[in-house]
Amino acid sequence: DAGVIQSPRHEVTEMGQEVTLRCKPISGHDYLFWYRQTMMRGLELLIYFNNNVPIDDSGMPEDRFSAKMPNASFSTLKIQPSEPRDSAVYFCASSFGVSGELFFGEGSRLTVL
Amino acid sequence: QKEVEQNSGPLSVPEGAIASLNCTYSDRGSQSFFWYRQYSGKSPELIMFIYSNGDKEDGRFTAQLNKASQYVSLLIRDSQPSDSATYLCAEGEGAQKLVFGQGTRLTINP
Repeated sequence: DAGVIQSPRHEVTEMGQEVTLRCKPISGHDYLFWYRQTMMRGLELLIYFNNNVPIDDSGMPEDRFSAKMPNASFSTLKIQPSEPRDSAVYFCASSFGVSGELFFGEGSRLTVL
Repeated sequence: QKEVEQNSGPLSVPEGAIASLNCTYSDRGSQSFFWYRQYSGKSPELIMFIYSNGDKEDGRFTAQLNKASQYVSLLIRDSQPSDSATYLCAEGEGAQKLVFGQGTRLTINP
């Protein structure tokens, strides 16, 4: 299996622009998670889906952030408008059941100028 | 608000010695605990999980859980330079809503 695939790997954008991050989970996994990692705050859970349905989005910072999972093999995290404080590495992870073993993608490093 | 606390380090250990990483958590009802390893510039990967009080061994790694003290630790025996990484402690309800600590940066000196 190719693992969790994220794109883009790096994104540099200007404040106010829309950013869309993409994720393809491991086939057969029924949970998908979006995490954000910064030096200051560590690894934070933003939102997670079970069988394509959003279960908990309490970690989403504000209305500028939205996430979708239109099917079992694709999810997006959108930031509109982006701000410099959104600069971070965004990880997508998937898992099968409630094992606690998350398989992370390589991350999308976002820099907002 | 669940919290997981780790010493950020850096923790420096000579090659061949035992590295001891510690973690405390705030939710007394927490049931599941995980240790993830993250190499610089890479994504986290699971190395161990523990659900019951006591020790759990896997090769050179031993996880220890003390629910009364709300304390989890990871011991790495015969430390190797390849063990140099950031180790993230996490607690959660299975795979759901894992709460991660800030991580401890470990350096193994040859």
